[in-house]
Amino acid sequence: EDQVTQSPEALRLQEGESSSLNCSYTVSGLRGLFWYRQDPGKGPEFLFTLYSAGEEKEKERLKATLTKKESFLHITAPKPEDSATYLCAVCGTSGTYKYIFGTGTRLKVLA
Amino acid sequence: DGGITQSPKYLFRKEGQNVTLSCEQNLNHDAMYWYRQDPGQGLRLIYYSQIVNDFQKGDIAEGYSVSREKKESFPLTVTSAQKNPTAFYLCASFGETSVNTGELFFGEGSRLTVL
Repeated sequence: EDQVTQSPEALRLQEGESSSLNCSYTVSGLRGLFWYRQDPGKGPEFLFTLYSAGEEKEKERLKATLTKKESFLHITAPKPEDSATYLCAVCGTSGTYKYIFGTGTRLKVLA
Repeated sequence: DGGITQSPKYLFRKEGQNVTLSCEQNLNHDAMYWYRQDPGQGLRLIYYSQIVNDFQKGDIAEGYSVSREKKESFPLTVTSAQKNPTAFYLCASFGETSVNTGELFFGEGSRLTVL
């Protein structure tokens, strides 16, 4: 069974204090691993797709990396506007396009 | 602009009543999904549909029903059999405009509260 585990559940950072969020996954063949940002009361907003181990993607202060068992979302010099819940999801290659999400990491960046 | 529209945004229901949440997309996407999100939790898959007139149960389908009579529409009915329906419901779609990234496009959600 495909599974996604994210850690930590919550993270508080000072503005400018870099850190990383973890997403561990098990899937029978990876079609893609996805990172989303979600603000309170809103739908998730797409950030990145990673397809194979060793791949990296960057967007402003965010960088996502992928190994065969986990993905990291690195946040460099975060700002208060980066405060949100970050969700990780996987889609496996077996059968239909079924996306499985983790429980997310709630990030709070303090000014 | 293309996107996904969910309605209503807020809904209150008395125990024992069925309610239907609307999801409409104009992205020409084949696949549509319903997720449930509880406070501090991730997204759990209720139902998904890969094509018109076909749908599959997700991980928490009990107490819910769906239909997919049109490509653009995927309504979700929360029945009285759902024991704890108070939650935030998200509709999503996937198709030709997202093939390059594989991403799901999400609506803005519907918050259901059972009184």
